[in-house]
Amino acid sequence: DTAVSQTPKYLVTQMGNDKSIKCEQNLGHDTMYWYKQDSKKFLKIMFSYNNKELIINETVPNRFSPKSPDKAHLNLHINSLELGDSAVYFCASSQDASSDTQYFGPGTRLTVL
Amino acid sequence: QKEVEQNSGPLSVPEGAIASLNCTYSDRGSQSFFWYRQYSGKSPELIMFIYSNGDKEDGRFTAQLNKASQYVSLLIRDSQPSDSATYLCASPTYSGGGADGLTFGKGTHLIIQP
Repeated sequence: DTAVSQTPKYLVTQMGNDKSIKCEQNLGHDTMYWYKQDSKKFLKIMFSYNNKELIINETVPNRFSPKSPDKAHLNLHINSLELGDSAVYFCASSQDASSDTQYFGPGTRLTVL
Repeated sequence: QKEVEQNSGPLSVPEGAIASLNCTYSDRGSQSFFWYRQYSGKSPELIMFIYSNGDKEDGRFTAQLNKASQYVSLLIRDSQPSDSATYLCASPTYSGGGADGLTFGKGTHLIIQP
């Protein structure tokens, strides 16, 4: 059974569009995260979300917004997509905000044309 | 700004030898460190974590932490071709309410030569 799942696995879209990536975890974890891995494979934290508290990496443009309909889901919405948004986006979860061990989803490869 | 540094490699090691992967960090207050393995096109997979100074062994893997030198390493004994991957060193970044997420190094690409 998949612990952290993401959909879609691949997403190809035009500049200026708005898109969403879904993330679900069935581990019963309280904290979820979004990471971006660029073309040079550098993995950077974008957001962490725990108990309705959102912590945002200050370098993330406000075109990116996470939405959590419930504890098991943290979806990533991206408005006005730009070429530089092309990357692999990973969702992750941990038991709680103080737990360091994070489990990653399979990733979503976003290509902006 | 917390930083985690790794040599990007590639690091080439003959099969059966010991692979040594190194990581340094800038934040002297960092308490815990994680090693993730990432195969090409796949997600990061947790290999080991270490909190205390010294060595921690798990099968063929040994993590070493030296907080005085701000240095953490991963040793892989009896290297196998299946160990060929990128190894990411990471440490948590905390706000007042708990972990913000992991700060990753850029990863070391390890190649095990048959």
